[in-house]
Amino acid sequence: AQKITQTQPGMFVQEKEAVTLDCTYDTSDQSYGLFWYKQPSSGEMIFLIYQGSYDEQNATEGRYSLNFQKARKSANLVISASQLGDSAMYFCAMREYYGNNRLAFGKGNQVVVIP
Amino acid sequence: GAVVSQHPSWVICKSGTSVKIECRSLDFQATTMFWYRQFPKQSLMLMATSNEGSKATYEQGVEKDKFLINHASLTLSTLTVTSAHPEDSSFYICSANGAANPYGYTFGSGTRLTVV
Repeated sequence: AQKITQTQPGMFVQEKEAVTLDCTYDTSDQSYGLFWYKQPSSGEMIFLIYQGSYDEQNATEGRYSLNFQKARKSANLVISASQLGDSAMYFCAMREYYGNNRLAFGKGNQVVVIP
Repeated sequence: GAVVSQHPSWVICKSGTSVKIECRSLDFQATTMFWYRQFPKQSLMLMATSNEGSKATYEQGVEKDKFLINHASLTLSTLTVTSAHPEDSSFYICSANGAANPYGYTFGSGTRLTVV
């Protein structure tokens, strides 16, 4: 069963605007972690932001913020003031602590920032 | 910060040959290494998990005799694609889990394998 769902099609975003990438997850564990990674065309995986299941406040890292709604099992990424360098694939991932600490990835969102 | 060096970054090999991909943690001890493969425009699919000094745990559907994983030390894990075929062409990327990583994971830069 798919644990991480990212269903948005490819997105075009105007430079300097904000963009929200949706992510929903499925788990029966109480303890888990949620991650967002950026993957540019070079292929490297760049860590953006982390949210623990027990964290009461939404995580923020510079222009990235995570809108964590635990009851709805969603962990949307918000990128503010988009830059051309933000064009990439974005993956949501979940770590279940009882699953050998492995990460399960969603299918990803393609974002293209246009000037 | 924690760095994982993965090489080669790309490799082209003939069908039937074997290819070895290395992931080396440069400044921390990688107690666990995860190996993923990624087809174009798709997600990362976990192939196997290896812990230093023990046999790798393979995900369902991954042939352990074809994808040999060795994690002989806390700083080196290798993936060998044996008797490669064109359908093995993919992007392979490792991820190390160790105490030094913020939030737990450091990815290598990936290896693009093309089998001709």
